[in-house]
Amino acid sequence: GNSVTQMEGPVTLSEEAFLTINCTYTATGYPSLFWYVQYPGEGLQLLLKATKADDKGSNKGFEATYRKETTSFHLEKGSVQVSDSAVYFCALPTGLGSSNTGKLIFGQGTTLQVKP
Amino acid sequence: DVKVTQSSRYLVKRTGEKVFLECVQDMDHENMFWYRQDPGLGLRLIYFSYDVKMKEKGDIPEGYSVSREKKERFSLILESASTNQTSMYLCASRLLGTGSRFNYEQYFGPGTRLTVT
Repeated sequence: GNSVTQMEGPVTLSEEAFLTINCTYTATGYPSLFWYVQYPGEGLQLLLKATKADDKGSNKGFEATYRKETTSFHLEKGSVQVSDSAVYFCALPTGLGSSNTGKLIFGQGTTLQVKP
Repeated sequence: DVKVTQSSRYLVKRTGEKVFLECVQDMDHENMFWYRQDPGLGLRLIYFSYDVKMKEKGDIPEGYSVSREKKERFSLILESASTNQTSMYLCASRLLGTGSRFNYEQYFGPGTRLTVT
């Protein structure tokens, strides 16, 4: 089945700093890729997605490009804010019959703390 | 907007108790999921339901069971709670698309933080 590896945190940045959170994957074919975010005390919510190679997903100033050459989907933001403090999860379909079940596998999560 | 609600945000139970965690979604989604979230381990799938009365074990089903009698409701049951089941439990739902509209996006509830003492 597919797998995902996400950089370990925590990541601590000052406000307005540039953010990169690395995510690499192994997969059969070219599955959709996702970034989810979990704000303190809340469940996960979809941040952005890319459905095919070379696609760029973007939302709330965050971007991630589906790079099949490097099997990566790194999350970036040019200028982080305190309100971006959260846990970020990279995810993709499991690849094990997931076309029938829609199951996703999630990275371990990267905690981002932004200081004023 | 899709809304997924969970019956409790915080729950404290004693070892050996039977525990019910309830999840309700309001968007007529076919698929529903139960995960547990632990530090350093990310999300792990406990059980999955394709549709009403249909279920499948996930990666860590031991000590858990589920019930889906109605489409909107998916219950997770801890038959005899143990301290190693202290965790954050997340429910999610997904609309089953087909063909070009196939969809993997899952919608999550706010989570239930369960403590077993």
